[in-house]
Amino acid sequence: TQLLEQSPQFLSIQEGENLTVYCNSSSVFSSLQWYRQEPGEGPVLLVTVVTGGEVKKLKRLTFQFGDARKDSSLHITAAQPGDTGLYLCAGANSQGAQKLVFGQGTRLTINP
Amino acid sequence: EAQVTQNPRYLITVTGKKLTVTCSQNMNHEYMSWYRQDPGLGLRQIYYSMNVEVTDKGDVPEGYKVSRKEKRNFPLILESPSPNQTSLYFCASRPGHRYEQYFGPGTRLTVT
Repeated sequence: TQLLEQSPQFLSIQEGENLTVYCNSSSVFSSLQWYRQEPGEGPVLLVTVVTGGEVKKLKRLTFQFGDARKDSSLHITAAQPGDTGLYLCAGANSQGAQKLVFGQGTRLTINP
Repeated sequence: EAQVTQNPRYLITVTGKKLTVTCSQNMNHEYMSWYRQDPGLGLRQIYYSMNVEVTDKGDVPEGYKVSRKEKRNFPLILESPSPNQTSLYFCASRPGHRYEQYFGPGTRLTVT
């Protein structure tokens, strides 16, 4: 079974600080997705990365897919309280993402 | 409004009493999937369906059944629920040619 390890599992920082969340595996994935989940709701897709070394930016969020397509990172610049939530990475092991493997999640709290 | 709906949102039941959690999407998506979310384990895929009458096992299918008789509906059936199936369940759908999954709001199931 493919595994995705996210770190840290919990992170609490002050508004304005920068942070990075990591998603690592020993397996190669054809694509990797990042989701954000609010309490009482389902996950919402933030980004999909497909190519090794790919970098995507979404406002203050920067996502990177490792060259070997085994790992990914999410970097948030100048974190805001609205960034608080559960961040999940998910890897697809085939074209079309029929089966997704999720990491355990990183619970991020941004304090005003 | 494009959405994935699940019913019920909350359910408390007893061991062995058959139950069905319904999932419906109004986006004409080919692909649908069921996940369970447990603390520290992230989201784990139970079953998925590539299209009508096409279903396949995910990573944790034991104790669950699904059917896909219509494109919009993908019910999750627990024939004889047990306490270890107490969890938060999510249904998701996506177009066959895209990665982005749309999640329902979740069903919190407690089996006593």
